Amino acid sequence: KNEVEQSPQNLTAQEGEFITINCSYSVGISALHWLQQHPGGGIVSLFMLSSGKKKHGRLIATINIQEKHSSLHITASHPRDSAVYICAVSPAMKYGGSQGNLIFGKGTKLSVKP
Amino acid sequence: EAQVTQNPRYLITVTGKKLTVTCSQNMNHEYMSWYRQDPGLGLRQIYYSMNVEVTDKGDVPEGYKVSRKEKRNFPLILESPSPNQTSLYFCASSPRDRTSWLHPHTFGSGTRLTVV
Repeated sequence: KNEVEQSPQNLTAQEGEFITINCSYSVGISALHWLQQHPGGGIVSLFMLSSGKKKHGRLIATINIQEKHSSLHITASHPRDSAVYICAVSPAMKYGGSQGNLIFGKGTKLSVKP
Repeated sequence: EAQVTQNPRYLITVTGKKLTVTCSQNMNHEYMSWYRQDPGLGLRQIYYSMNVEVTDKGDVPEGYKVSRKEKRNFPLILESPSPNQTSLYFCASSPRDRTSWLHPHTFGSGTRLTVV
């Protein structure tokens, strides 16, 4: 069983649509990361959060620690948002995790059509 | 410009021939890490380093070595590469302060390694 599950695996949207990508994890964590991998392969860190909600431009990330779930929302989607979005968690030391360890989901491939 | 630099970007090598992929960061970050990315498996952590002379295994360390002799460099060494190490490799770094080591990563551009 994967410790980090993302859904959906693939997502196609029309420009302007509101998009939600989900991440569920099974371990206690100290933080959760959302990453974006461009079609060219480069990876950019979008958010790192341990509680609540963060917003950057049209991107919003939320996390519910009790439910072990996080969502990444994109408002007013645009073709340039087309990328693979990756969720990753840092296991908490108090649950047997190791500081510095990062566990990844398999990613959600988003395609936004004009 | 603040960045993580990996070299080479592309490498084709033969089984058993030792190689080193270099990673250097200019942001004075304490934390550095290596990942490999494979189709269907996603990103997996190989090794990480919390600071100079401190390294730890990630989820897939077999067949790899690392060293952290100075803060800015974190080379990945494949002593005897095998075809199953053909992959896309990423190095990343992040700062660590007195209250928390948890900060967003800065990633290198990746190294595509093919072992034949």
